[in-house]
Amino acid sequence: KAGVTQTPRYLIKTRGQQVTLSCSPISGHRSVSWYQQTPGQGLQFLFEYFSETQRNKGNFPGRFSGRQFSNSRSEMNVSTLELGDSALYLCASSLEGGMLNTEAFFGQGTRLTVV
Amino acid sequence: DAKTTQPPSMDCAEGRAANLPCNHSTISGNEYVYWYRQIHSQGPQYIIHGLKNNETNEMASLIITEDRKSSTLILPHATLRDTAVYYCIVREWGSGTYKYIFGTGTRLKVLA
Repeated sequence: KAGVTQTPRYLIKTRGQQVTLSCSPISGHRSVSWYQQTPGQGLQFLFEYFSETQRNKGNFPGRFSGRQFSNSRSEMNVSTLELGDSALYLCASSLEGGMLNTEAFFGQGTRLTVV
Repeated sequence: DAKTTQPPSMDCAEGRAANLPCNHSTISGNEYVYWYRQIHSQGPQYIIHGLKNNETNEMASLIITEDRKSSTLILPHATLRDTAVYYCIVREWGSGTYKYIFGTGTRLKVLA
């Protein structure tokens, strides 16, 4: 079956702009989580959505937001981009994020460069 | 904050077993230990997970100590394609769901 699909794969934006990233989870998966990966900070949890509701949120400013649609596809939005937002943004899907015994499957990521 | 500590890097000869240690001394009773790996510029790949018993799958074995304060991921016959950053993760429970808190991982280099 198809894996987690993230679009676009690469993106270049200018400071001050806003950006929207998309994630399509594995069919049947209802939980989608977002992560930011930078060389200095490693992989950091952004937020998790389940059935169109945000259930968990990491320590990121309000410029970072997201949503999930009824088909479980998720979007992440970053407004007023800063140079430090340059990173690989990863999306992970799982069958039921709250279950004890499930694994998450990651997409290939979207590499965002802010200039 | 990450609940795991791992050595920053390790080397392993091709064909030999790679043993990657992880300390998770503050793990709670119902928290699972997960292992993922990330090959350069790709998304993390699930390897294995366990609660308290040793686990084995087609990729690796996971040995968890009886007190659950540490674990070891074993790649029985490392190949060059196993060169990657390996993350040991304890999933944290909060706000009615789990989230993965990644540490800095171990950069494994398999040598020919």
